[in-house]
Amino acid sequence: SSELTQDPAVSVALGQTVRITCQGDSLRNYYASWYQRKPGQAPLLVIYGKNNRPSGIPDRFSGSSSGDTASLTITGAQAEDEADYYCNSRDSSANHVVFGGGTKLTVL
Amino acid sequence: QVQLQESGPGLVKPSQTLSLTCTVSGGSISSSGYYWSWIRQHPGKGLEWIGYIYYSGSTSYNPSLKSRVTMSVDTSKNQFSLKLSSVTAADTAVYYCARQLRGDYTFDYWGQGTLVTVSS
Repeated sequence: SSELTQDPAVSVALGQTVRITCQGDSLRNYYASWYQRKPGQAPLLVIYGKNNRPSGIPDRFSGSSSGDTASLTITGAQAEDEADYYCNSRDSSANHVVFGGGTKLTVL
Repeated sequence: QVQLQESGPGLVKPSQTLSLTCTVSGGSISSSGYYWSWIRQHPGKGLEWIGYIYYSGSTSYNPSLKSRVTMSVDTSKNQFSLKLSSVTAADTAVYYCARQLRGDYTFDYWGQGTLVTVSS
């Protein structure tokens, strides 16, 4: 399958931990990359590879993977983390890129 | 800091060709470690990878769009471009350009995106 499935919306209380998941067959073979998108801003890479953070990304963001599911965990969510989050990976049956549908994170 | 900026018409008529350009600053488009990609997002939907071009001119396109997509690169201007032919209302979307790690599927820098509406 070339699809990556994400929950449309997730909420978390300020300072608590939230996990955003991404499911798809290709994730059995490839790690997911994760992007944060806020209104009016360019998407921002937050996690790539096994669990790598680009320079400037807070260490409260982490990534993990098990079977066909990848997860982005925010430990101690902050108000500024409220955004849409997208996962992506490589299609397992073709040499191209696939994205998840996105998860809207609300910080309460 | 690498920056990307999309430019082009915000309105295209059905059956015509959508043309967008991405200008890269803060880095060279001729860097060997990167592809230069286009991604779009239909209103209320997820992201869709359109394809990439390497500075040498080699390309890879999403099979679902391959018959209508042409990408080109101008290293002298540090720009790359997208042409999507025979557009319909289904091509209405926000179009992003992005830098893709070579041999990978990770996009480390993105433009802010530009809305292209297909309508008569």
